[in-house]
Amino acid sequence: GIQVEQSPPDLILQEGANSTLRCNFSDSVNNLQWFHQNPWGQLINLFYIPSGTKQNGRLSATTVATERYSLLYISSSQTTDSGVYFCAVDSGAGSYQLTFGKGTKLSVIP
Amino acid sequence: EPEVTQTPSHQVTQMGQEVILRCVPISNHLYFYWYRQILGQKVEFLVSFYNNEISEKSEIFDDQFSVERPDGSNFTLKIRSTKLEDSAMYFCASSGATWTDTQYFGPGTRLTVL
Repeated sequence: GIQVEQSPPDLILQEGANSTLRCNFSDSVNNLQWFHQNPWGQLINLFYIPSGTKQNGRLSATTVATERYSLLYISSSQTTDSGVYFCAVDSGAGSYQLTFGKGTKLSVIP
Repeated sequence: EPEVTQTPSHQVTQMGQEVILRCVPISNHLYFYWYRQILGQKVEFLVSFYNNEISEKSEIFDDQFSVERPDGSNFTLKIRSTKLEDSAMYFCASSGATWTDTQYFGPGTRLTVL
């Protein structure tokens, strides 16, 4: 099946710093989503971005489908950005289940 | 903004008992999913459902699991005889007009099997 690798696995930032999270995937996809899992375990949709670039406030994401990677940018980080960020892709070829990466655990310290 | 809801938020059960986890997907969505996340691990797909039947299921989704859409709004996951290893967070998700649309996730049900 499709492989999803996220890096880095852990990231510690000072409040106000910027960061880039990466997601590599092993095959072409129809769906790519970024999620933030908050400390209560909820999965919050950030972006649906199988290709192109999107921005939402301090967050933006870019997916280069031809090179099979996606980047999530967080600018001016806040303590509330802490949590785990997951990238998830569908398997393509008629399978639409999402395969998740292992996530990047972000800790933003004041 | 419409959202997926799940009940209960936390369920504690004894090994061997049956549990039913409930979900109300977004009202005009057509595709429904269950995923689970064992503590500290990544989220894993269990099953997808469309037009009142299972479309895909993973190896995890064995005969102990079943899904049902008993009416126009609810979508349930039943575990017939729970095992310790079923302890996990269970997420329901739904998507709209096509399989490749955004999947929206509910807040999850944390299942603890003792």
